[in-house]
Amino acid sequence: GQNIDQPTEMTATEGAIVQINCTYQTSGFNGLFWYQQHAGEAPTFLSYNVLDGLEEKGRFSSFLSRSKGYSYLLLKELQMKDSASYLCALYNQGGKLIFGQGTELSVKP
Amino acid sequence: GAGVSQSPSNKVTEKGKDVELRCDPISGHTALYWYRQSLGQGLEFLIYFQGNSAPDKSGLPSDRFSAERTGGSVSTLTIQRTQQEDSAVYLCASSPSGTVNYGYTFGSGTRLTVV
Repeated sequence: GQNIDQPTEMTATEGAIVQINCTYQTSGFNGLFWYQQHAGEAPTFLSYNVLDGLEEKGRFSSFLSRSKGYSYLLLKELQMKDSASYLCALYNQGGKLIFGQGTELSVKP
Repeated sequence: GAGVSQSPSNKVTEKGKDVELRCDPISGHTALYWYRQSLGQGLEFLIYFQGNSAPDKSGLPSDRFSAERTGGSVSTLTIQRTQQEDSAVYLCASSPSGTVNYGYTFGSGTRLTVV
């Protein structure tokens, strides 16, 4: 099976940097996704890591270490609109996404 | 269409009734997924269709749940004899075959309430 762990909630200040961690235990996977989901809306794609290392996309970056079973999403220059749930998901070798429970991020002024 | 379309957007049904939820994926996307999201929870995998292959039904929670995909396009998720614990948002997603770098595109979901 695949166990994926994320913190349930985090709070950060507008303009700051926040790191959302995701740890997992799995026998194998193709890659790791991060999705953003605003309340009442569909999840939207943020990033996809296949190889170890950092993928940077503007204010958002995602990191993967397969040897450590660990990923993080880094959000810089936080804005109020970044308040949302952030979902870590493994793309497994059977071709489907397995999601963690998500981290609810609250950005305060 | 431009995105994944789901209908209805909201459904209230009485316990014991059957419901059908529809998903219209992005044209040309061969992979289609159904997920369920209960209030404040993550996404729970239900079923996965890929082209003409047999679907992966490993996430269906009971034999009251079934899904079809006709002509490799539209999919219908059917829940028979609904129970209150079936109340959730049911999300559909699609992706092109062999290309996952940009993730799956999700529909806006059907919010099912069983009373």
